[in-house]
Amino acid sequence: QQQVKQSPQSLIVQKGGISIINCAYENTAFDYFPWYQQFPGKGPALLIAIRPDVSEKKEGRFTISFNKSAKQFSLHIMDSQPGDSATYFCAASILSGGSNYKLTFGKGTLLTVNP
Amino acid sequence: NAGVTQTPKFQVLKTGQSMTLQCAQDMNHEYMSWYRQDPGMGLRLIHYSVGAGITDQGEVPNGYNVSRSTTEDFPLRLLSAAPSQTSVYFCASSYGAVLGVGELFFGEGSRLTVL
Repeated sequence: QQQVKQSPQSLIVQKGGISIINCAYENTAFDYFPWYQQFPGKGPALLIAIRPDVSEKKEGRFTISFNKSAKQFSLHIMDSQPGDSATYFCAASILSGGSNYKLTFGKGTLLTVNP
Repeated sequence: NAGVTQTPKFQVLKTGQSMTLQCAQDMNHEYMSWYRQDPGMGLRLIHYSVGAGITDQGEVPNGYNVSRSTTEDFPLRLLSAAPSQTSVYFCASSYGAVLGVGELFFGEGSRLTVL
C-alpha cells in the first residue's frame, strides 16, 4: 500500500519558471509533511516542512501548499534555477503519535531546469 | 562536524557473500535508520532504531539484520547477498524519537552491487 503518492515522476522547466510537484496521502493521522532535495551522488536533505495547522509555508523561493480536506500537499519552486535541478521527495509521518517512527516517502520527482 | 558517515561508499559482492555497511553519527541522535533507494521506487525503510538496544523492522527488512549497541553506530548486515539487494543504501538519523521522526539527516550513501 503506497501511502504517499507523488507526481510527476519527472519535470522539465525553463529557467525562471515555476516548478510544481504534487503529493497525496491516505493516512489522516499524518501530521508532518517534509520535502527533501537530493543532488546526484548525495544523500537527501530536508528542504522545507509543514504541519497541518497551516495551509502554506514559504521559505525563499520554495513554498509548500497544504490542503487537509483533499489530503494533498505540493511544492512550488518560484523562479526556478538550473541549480534547483535535483530529485525531490515528499514524505509524511506522525510526529506526535507516540510509537510511530516511520517517515514514508513518495517515489520522487526528477526536476530539470534548463538554462 | 561529520554528521552521518557511511562506509564503504562502493562495494561489489558475489551472490551469497555477507557484508556489513557501517553507519556512524556524531550528533547524539536517538533515532537511526536504514533506507534503500532504487530507481522509480523512492526511499524504502529497511530497519530503524529508537535508541541503543532497540531496533525494529521497516518496510523491506528481509535479508538484512541490524543491531544498536551504542548511540553512535548502527550497522546494517547483509546475511547472504542476492542480486535483488543491488541498490544505494542510506543511513539517516534524527534527534527525536520520543514523539516520532522529525528531520532526518542522511549520509552520502553506499552503492552496493551484487553479481
